[in-house]
Amino acid sequence: GQNIDQPTEMTATEGAIVQINCTYQTSGFNGLFWYQQHAGEAPTFLSYNVLDGLEEKGRFSSFLSRSKGYSYLLLKELQMKDSASYLCAVSYSSGGSYIPTFGRGTSLIVHP
Amino acid sequence: DGGITQSPKYLFRKEGQNVTLSCEQNLNHDAMYWYRQDPGQGLRLIYYSQIVNDFQKGDIAEGYSVSREKKESFPLTVTSAQKNPTAFYLCASSIGWQSNQPQHFGDGTRLSIL
Repeated sequence: GQNIDQPTEMTATEGAIVQINCTYQTSGFNGLFWYQQHAGEAPTFLSYNVLDGLEEKGRFSSFLSRSKGYSYLLLKELQMKDSASYLCAVSYSSGGSYIPTFGRGTSLIVHP
Repeated sequence: DGGITQSPKYLFRKEGQNVTLSCEQNLNHDAMYWYRQDPGQGLRLIYYSQIVNDFQKGDIAEGYSVSREKKESFPLTVTSAQKNPTAFYLCASSIGWQSNQPQHFGDGTRLSIL
């Protein structure tokens, strides 16, 4: 089975930087996704990593280390609207298809 | 605009009753998924379908059933056998089972017991 760990909750101050970690143990690893979900709404795609290294998209960056089973999402210049749950999802191959498994999500609270 | 539409937004179920949640997409995606989300549990996979007329059980399929008669539609039935159905249900789609592409999600259906 898949075991994906994220912190349950984090708090940060507006304008600061926050790093949300995700660790996973999986065979057939085929990529890792980060999604943002505001309360009561649909998750929206943020980033995807399949190779080691850093992917940058504006204020958001995501890092992957396949050998360590580790990823993080880095949010810079935090804004109040960044208060949301951040979901780490690992894609693994099964019979030629790709089935994503989600972690429990990290609830980020941004204070003024 | 292309997207995924789930209906209804809120649904109430009586004891012993089956209810069906609708999910329609016009993204021309082959793969579709149903997830259940409970507080503190993240998203758990109920069923998924990679192609029309085919679907597979996910991690928590007991008490649920699905059909995939059309590419655009993937309805989920919550049967009376599901003893704890109160949850937020999310439908998602992706381009295909051969590609490792991000999922697009509907706005969800919140199911409660009367």
